[in-house]
Amino acid sequence: GIQVEQSPPDLILQEGANSTLRCNFSDSVNNLQWFHQNPWGQLINLFYIPSGTKQNGRLSATTVATERYSLLYISSSQTTDSGVYFCAVGLGGGTASKLTFGTGTRLQVTL
Amino acid sequence: GAVVSQHPSRVICKSGTSVKIECRSLDFQATTMFWYRQFPKQSLMLMATSNEGSKATYEQGVEKDKFLINHASLTLSTLTVTSAHPEDSSFYICSARGQQGNYGYTFGSGTRLTVV
Repeated sequence: GIQVEQSPPDLILQEGANSTLRCNFSDSVNNLQWFHQNPWGQLINLFYIPSGTKQNGRLSATTVATERYSLLYISSSQTTDSGVYFCAVGLGGGTASKLTFGTGTRLQVTL
Repeated sequence: GAVVSQHPSRVICKSGTSVKIECRSLDFQATTMFWYRQFPKQSLMLMATSNEGSKATYEQGVEKDKFLINHASLTLSTLTVTSAHPEDSSFYICSARGQQGNYGYTFGSGTRLTVV
């Protein structure tokens, strides 16, 4: 099956700092999403980004599908950004619509 | 927006008993539901995919007789952990996709199962 690796595995930032999280995947995909899992376990969808660049407030994401990687940028980090960030990839519709989650990046933002 | 309700949020059961976890889509019809398991500080691992009215498709290595999945309606899927053992203790999360098959996967809030 498809392999999804994220880096770094752990990241500690001071509030206000910027960071870049990376997601590498081993095969072509039709679906790539970034999620934030808060400390209580709830997953929130951040971006649907199989290719190109998107921005939402302090967050932005870029996927270079031909090179099989995606980047999530967090600017001016806040303590509420703490949690685990996952990228997840999939092959599209039908039963192939299942998502394979990456290894995750655990982010801690300190004061 | 789309909401998925998952219950219970926490459950403790004795070894050998069965536990049922419910996943409901509150404001949309979920043609496909996914069940994941997450061990502490690990990623989400897909256990099975269920389509309304048909048998679930289990991932390799997941015991279908132990993890019973029912998706009898477009708004409800259940996962029953049968004859639970301590190694089944984990965080179980459901996810639902709507009929349009859009990219919007909506996740439940998860169920923390502890088997003692």
